[in-house]
Amino acid sequence: DGGITQSPKYLFRKEGQNVTLSCEQNLNHDAMYWYRQDPGQGLRLIYYSQIVNDFQKGDIAEGYSVSREKKESFPLTVTSAQKNPTAFYLCASSIEPGRSNYGYTFGSGTRLTVV
Amino acid sequence: SQKIEQNSEALNIQEGKTATLTCNYTNYSPAYLQWYRQDPGRGPVFLLLIRENEKEKRKERLKVTFDTTLKQSLFHITASQPADSATYLCALDRGATNKLIFGTGTLLAVQP
Repeated sequence: DGGITQSPKYLFRKEGQNVTLSCEQNLNHDAMYWYRQDPGQGLRLIYYSQIVNDFQKGDIAEGYSVSREKKESFPLTVTSAQKNPTAFYLCASSIEPGRSNYGYTFGSGTRLTVV
Repeated sequence: SQKIEQNSEALNIQEGKTATLTCNYTNYSPAYLQWYRQDPGRGPVFLLLIRENEKEKRKERLKVTFDTTLKQSLFHITASQPADSATYLCALDRGATNKLIFGTGTLLAVQP
């Protein structure tokens, strides 16, 4: 079955540490996205990539970094510069929503907690 | 600034009734609008997409309307069931880049 796999499901980070969240898709989608979800807030866009080896900052990119070396993979690194990293992180992919009747496909999320 | 508003209060309805959820937006002219369902601790699941030149779209028990004059979309679930209980998110495109901006979602609780 095609889909998006995020790992790990739960992640604990100590102050000052960098951590990397994995996102892999086998849907052959060109576009991939990282969102952050906090209680009472909508999903906020961190980074997105429309094609391999290219990515752009979203609305809240500070303290995060990404890479897109393969079409299937879009890992997100939460650096020590991110002051409030505790949140639910969601990875998504899409064909091109504006040109199809299919929306985003989301992974099951990674819950990151700073300890 | 661009803003999407969904009713932050939970919507409680009786099984078998029609649930209607609202999505309003300002300072925005989206080419299309999407609705998603999200269960606790899970990623959102895509339900329906409606384009700016479409007034209404249906899928099984779901119906979405899009009024670009009122800047509003309504999402209806007919013959609601307890299994429909979840948070429903609306999302709008930002134009050529195909990025989506999401509302905060409305929690629907269907009582048996």
